[in-house]
Amino acid sequence: ETGVTQSPTHLIKTRGQQVTLRCSSQSGHNTVSWYQQALGQGPQFIFQYYREEENGRGNFPPRFSGLQFPNYSSELNVNALELDDSALYLCASSPGSQETQYFGPGTRLLVL
Amino acid sequence: RKEVEQDPGPFNVPEGATVAFNCTYSNSASQSFFWYRQDCRKEPKLLMSVYSSGNEDGRFTAQLNRASQYISLLIRDSKLSDSATYLCAEKGGYNKLIFGAGTRLAVHP
Repeated sequence: ETGVTQSPTHLIKTRGQQVTLRCSSQSGHNTVSWYQQALGQGPQFIFQYYREEENGRGNFPPRFSGLQFPNYSSELNVNALELDDSALYLCASSPGSQETQYFGPGTRLLVL
Repeated sequence: RKEVEQDPGPFNVPEGATVAFNCTYSNSASQSFFWYRQDCRKEPKLLMSVYSSGNEDGRFTAQLNRASQYISLLIRDSKLSDSATYLCAEKGGYNKLIFGAGTRLAVHP
């Protein structure tokens, strides 16, 4: 196991709602990256947090936002949920912003 | 054109077979590549990094061909437990991983 944990494991929401997903990075890791994986696709990079600052962002709208806390755990917030937001949300932690990433088990979000 | 492309498969092979997957990338300046394995409804797990000189780990061999801009994964003596989706990834800016859509492998008795 990678030591990266995510909560909740599954979530069902309706369109327009807001959701917060959580990630605890592996001990000693100061970088967390978030990815969205739609069914049948590879993970798509949402953003990365390094030492509590956003350190890069993929092609996702502003309603996708995040935070990283002093203990390097992280949250992904999605506002105004859309049906297409249904996906597996993965966080990956790494010991530095340029190091190998290790994935958590993911949160499966279903938007109805 | 997608940044990273893979043949989705599925590749159906018998136990003991040798199977190879290729993955093409579009950014000629890319330096780092990886193969991840993903079981159904699970997270991707790092299988191996891909170095310019190639990389071997037991039955698995990864190669990088910069001239043709592709990486490959060779699996020898396939096991039933090798059945999974294999994702290739390129390291982009900000250390983000750019993934292909994955290649499905099914190993049958």
